[in-house]
Amino acid sequence: AAGVIQSPRHLIKEKRETATLKCYPIPRHDTVYWYQQGPGQDPQFLISFYEKMQSDKGSIPDRFSAQQFSDYHSELNMSSLELGDSALYFCASSSRLAEYEQYFGPGTRLTVT
Amino acid sequence: AQKVTQAQTEISVVEKEDVTLDCVYETRDTTYYLFWYKQPPSGELVFLIRRNSFDEQNEISGRYSWNFQKSTSSFNFTITASQVVDSAVYFCALSEAAATDKLIFGTGTRLQVFP
Repeated sequence: AAGVIQSPRHLIKEKRETATLKCYPIPRHDTVYWYQQGPGQDPQFLISFYEKMQSDKGSIPDRFSAQQFSDYHSELNMSSLELGDSALYFCASSSRLAEYEQYFGPGTRLTVT
Repeated sequence: AQKVTQAQTEISVVEKEDVTLDCVYETRDTTYYLFWYKQPPSGELVFLIRRNSFDEQNEISGRYSWNFQKSTSSFNFTITASQVVDSAVYFCALSEAAATDKLIFGTGTRLQVFP
């Protein structure tokens, strides 16, 4: 069965650079969530989209933005990167048919140097 | 406010021992979902179980079992006859029943199973 795809899997950036993370949900899933997991921490909710509209927002820095496109894939854009942005970024997708159970992608490991 | 507490930061056991991971939650909602995820050293989040607030039946899946008690707001996870491959960080999580609600995770319990 198709799973959530995230790209890239690993990313190394320098401080003040920009990064774009991509998430391709399971086919026919209409909801996407982004989570950030710092080293040794639990995943923290950043933002979610339902049918291409932002549905909820968590502790996402103003330097970050995200959107969901017409094909339901989502991108998380991160600017002016800081050392503290180094983390594992998870995307999850869900749908009404899946009873909104969240299926997680493998994550993108971002390292800011 | 919603909150999930996993008081056990780290647990070490020897193979074949049984181990229980505790999870206590707080929510004002009458309808909610509880989850357990496993995060092995490779980093991915592996879904283990989802339970809704109206289903207090205990569940068993192989060596895994879950005890949900609304009276104590707990959703504990037991691994029977632990194996080295069970070594991972285990997260308990909570979400409201709203269709697109986020997951609130506990801080996780690191389980180390020694041969």
